[in-house]
Amino acid sequence: EIVLTQSPATLSLSPGERVTLSCRASQSVNSQLAWYQQKRGQAPRLLIYDASNRATGIPARFSGSGSGTDFTLTISSLETEDFAIYYCQHRTKWPPGATFGPGTKLDIK
Amino acid sequence: QVQLVESGGGVVQPGRSLRLSCAASGFTFSNYGMHWIRQVPGEGLAWVAVISYNGNTEYYEDSVKGRFTISRDNFKDTLSLQMNSLRPEDTGVYFCAKESAAKIGLAYDVWGQGTAVIVSS
Repeated sequence: EIVLTQSPATLSLSPGERVTLSCRASQSVNSQLAWYQQKRGQAPRLLIYDASNRATGIPARFSGSGSGTDFTLTISSLETEDFAIYYCQHRTKWPPGATFGPGTKLDIK
Repeated sequence: QVQLVESGGGVVQPGRSLRLSCAASGFTFSNYGMHWIRQVPGEGLAWVAVISYNGNTEYYEDSVKGRFTISRDNFKDTLSLQMNSLRPEDTGVYFCAKESAAKIGLAYDVWGQGTAVIVSS
């Protein structure tokens, strides 16, 4: 079973700053990694799929990189609406389950 | 527009049953595998179950095997989760989620708003 770890757990930053979030897999997942944003009381929203591809409608300030076991999500210049929790996720075709990281909470400083 | 709407959550005593539903609209429901994912308040996301696009294959997280049953009606564009023998640790918000198209990798591109299940005596 693949385990995803995320760091840091919490980050306090100001609007306009650049931030890089980390996700590490316990074994190689190739590029099969997605990133989601979740705001309080809302469902997760897909940001990045296949490690580096932005989902439809996601602003260009969001970018993903990595392969194998180490992945990053970068927000180039934080907007107020970006303060939320970010999860990484890996899913396989078989067995067809999914694994999520514990999340990184982005707080306004 | 593309949408998933869950219903059926509530407060239930341990050992009792609950049935969740998820109504899909705005896309061809019968083309996609569908999943249930739950979130304990204040905690992260945990995958629960999946059903294939045609309903022929189901797969469950170990702790719900034998207690939960996922099903779908491709004529009514509806996904269901029958939850039996509920335990306090089943408490959480349950989301239904649509598998993304193959070209968008192995992700979930549409989520419902979630329905809360509280298992407590």
